[in-house]
Amino acid sequence: AQSVAQPEDQVNVAEGNPLTVKCTYSVSGNPYLFWYVQYPNRGLQFLLKYITGDNLVKGSYGFEAEFNKSQTSFHLKKPSALVSDSALYFCAVRDEGFNKFYFGSGTKLNVKP
Amino acid sequence: DAGVIQSPRHEVTEMGQEVTLRCKPISGHDYLFWYRQTMMRGLELLIYFNNNVPIDDSGMPEDRFSAKMPNASFSTLKIQPSEPRDSAVYFCASSLGRGDSMNTEAFFGQGTRLTVV
Repeated sequence: AQSVAQPEDQVNVAEGNPLTVKCTYSVSGNPYLFWYVQYPNRGLQFLLKYITGDNLVKGSYGFEAEFNKSQTSFHLKKPSALVSDSALYFCAVRDEGFNKFYFGSGTKLNVKP
Repeated sequence: DAGVIQSPRHEVTEMGQEVTLRCKPISGHDYLFWYRQTMMRGLELLIYFNNNVPIDDSGMPEDRFSAKMPNASFSTLKIQPSEPRDSAVYFCASSLGRGDSMNTEAFFGQGTRLTVV
């Protein structure tokens, strides 16, 4: 069965410091992995995706994610956090056979000045 | 394209009333998803359509919930009768899912915040 785990409900980081939001997945077949961000009272916004190729994927707003097949992980990273990065982040995997998206439980990122 | 459009943005209704949520997907997208978000349960997939046909409705919580997609540009999610525990934010999302374009992300609407009193 397909699933996504985000082990941290909340991540706190100081502005200017690097940030990592963790995600692990379980999927049969090739993984199609995504990161989304949700600001208060808004819908989910796409940040980046891994389909194939380079294990380091770059996305919007300076975010990147590292795909690690052996560890079945897809952690979201940013070298220098901004206060405006504070939001709820979701990791997702898309089922190759049925086209469904499986979302993690979300991680709240708090960036403090 | 204006993105996925949902209406209304907010809905307050009394218990027992019928509620209809509406969604216009991005033109050309052949997959449409309805999600519900609550603090307790997070983001739940309710139902999804492919080419206007419901593929998986196993996430629909009860018979009080129904969804339709009469054409490629419109879908509805109906709750009848509504109950206070249905209070949540309901999202519609659409995506491509054919051939090489299968590897694409879902685009979300702004959501409908439903409050049942």
